[in-house]
Amino acid sequence: DAGITQSPRHKVTETGTPVTLRCHQTENHRYMYWYRQDPGHGLRLIHYSYGVKDTDKGEVSDGYSVSRSKTEDFLLTLESATSSQTSVYFCAISDWRATGELFFGEGSRLTVL
Amino acid sequence: AQRVTQPEKLLSVFKGAPVELKCNYSYSGSPELFWYVQYSRQRLQLLLRHISRESIKGFTADLNKGETSFHLKKPFAQEEDSAMYYCALREETSGSRLTFGEGTQLTVNP
Repeated sequence: DAGITQSPRHKVTETGTPVTLRCHQTENHRYMYWYRQDPGHGLRLIHYSYGVKDTDKGEVSDGYSVSRSKTEDFLLTLESATSSQTSVYFCAISDWRATGELFFGEGSRLTVL
Repeated sequence: AQRVTQPEKLLSVFKGAPVELKCNYSYSGSPELFWYVQYSRQRLQLLLRHISRESIKGFTADLNKGETSFHLKKPFAQEEDSAMYYCALREETSGSRLTFGEGTQLTVNP
């Protein structure tokens, strides 16, 4: 497995609270992504990064923000969690060749009550 | 906007039977198509990509631009093929950003 870890792996929180998910990689890959996985929707891109401090929105970015201050870390923040953000969140990385091959983390299951 | 559709959420076959997981896409440019797989308790991983024209674990997929399809096929399914399969599309200028389909859960029964 590619050196990519997500934390926390499981989290239960209440509506309105802030939540931060962390993705850490040891591969020195340029690109990092956050996807959410929902039944019936597959994986949908939330935000992505193409370098330190370079990020952009995906198709479902509302209610989420990201930061990348170091190559190895990509943080996903829910400023005020809502029940619709209950999901499994996957981080992925890819190298400079941008071939379309993504390496995924194990996922973080978030439940917003 | 590009879109990937997997019409079957669930697919069940018996061991040794042929299996075909359907994938259709809509994209006006020249796409690259991929199949990703997630086995139970494992990470999502790349299975194959159309430009490689390769067979992985007995699976093949042919890009049909006329029908805008990229169906995944295997002539003789095995129990270890049971997994969630995702079709994905990469636009020409999107780097490694992928658009995924809804996924198909394949179950191969003994």
